[in-house]
Amino acid sequence: QAVVTQEPSLTVSPGGTVTLTCGSNTGAVTFGHYPYWFQQKPGQAPRTLIYDTNTKQPWTPARVSGSLSGGKAALTLSGAQPEDEADYYCLLSYSGRKVFGGGTKLTVL
Amino acid sequence: QVKLQESGPGLVKPSQTLSLTCIVSGASISNGNYYWTWIRQHPGKGLEWIGYIHYSGNVYYNPSLESRLTISLDTSQNQFSLELNSVTAADTAVYYCARDNEGLKFWGQGTLVTVSS
Repeated sequence: QAVVTQEPSLTVSPGGTVTLTCGSNTGAVTFGHYPYWFQQKPGQAPRTLIYDTNTKQPWTPARVSGSLSGGKAALTLSGAQPEDEADYYCLLSYSGRKVFGGGTKLTVL
Repeated sequence: QVKLQESGPGLVKPSQTLSLTCIVSGASISNGNYYWTWIRQHPGKGLEWIGYIHYSGNVYYNPSLESRLTISLDTSQNQFSLELNSVTAADTAVYYCARDNEGLKFWGQGTLVTVSS
């Protein structure tokens, strides 16, 4: 089965901008992989921030955006806030089956 | 308001079958727009997509679990279920049910299942 890769950890300064990426060992990530991005805080269920590459949920902050860049899916947080500190997971679709990335632990410091 | 709630035993013995049900309220599982999904998370680890089922009966499974896995719908009870047989300690995890389409917008709170004798 496909392997989806994410940065294990990233750090961003408060008010700064950070981009998390999501790659696939099968080649470039495209719109056809329908990338999702999830945020998970300790003790909570994950919640979707972005799906279908760049579609936001009603609760997704305006400072969060999704895109494709350099053959990967990307999640960009602009103007990072302390509450953005969390684990972030991407999910890619492969002809119906789906695979999560290993997750990125984002620290706001 | 759409709600999903996982239900099932929190402890399963090795080699037995893990059975969970997801009770859905606020939406009909007979709605052909949705895929009813199971996801798990091993303690302190990342998320693993298990599989989903559509009202049409189409199912998609994680290839690494497919030989042990069954996901089914019960339209009379508006719920869907997961059965994973021949479990080992490696199946100890928090199991989540969720509704796909609109980007996995709705999730259950998750239930911890421990495999231990």
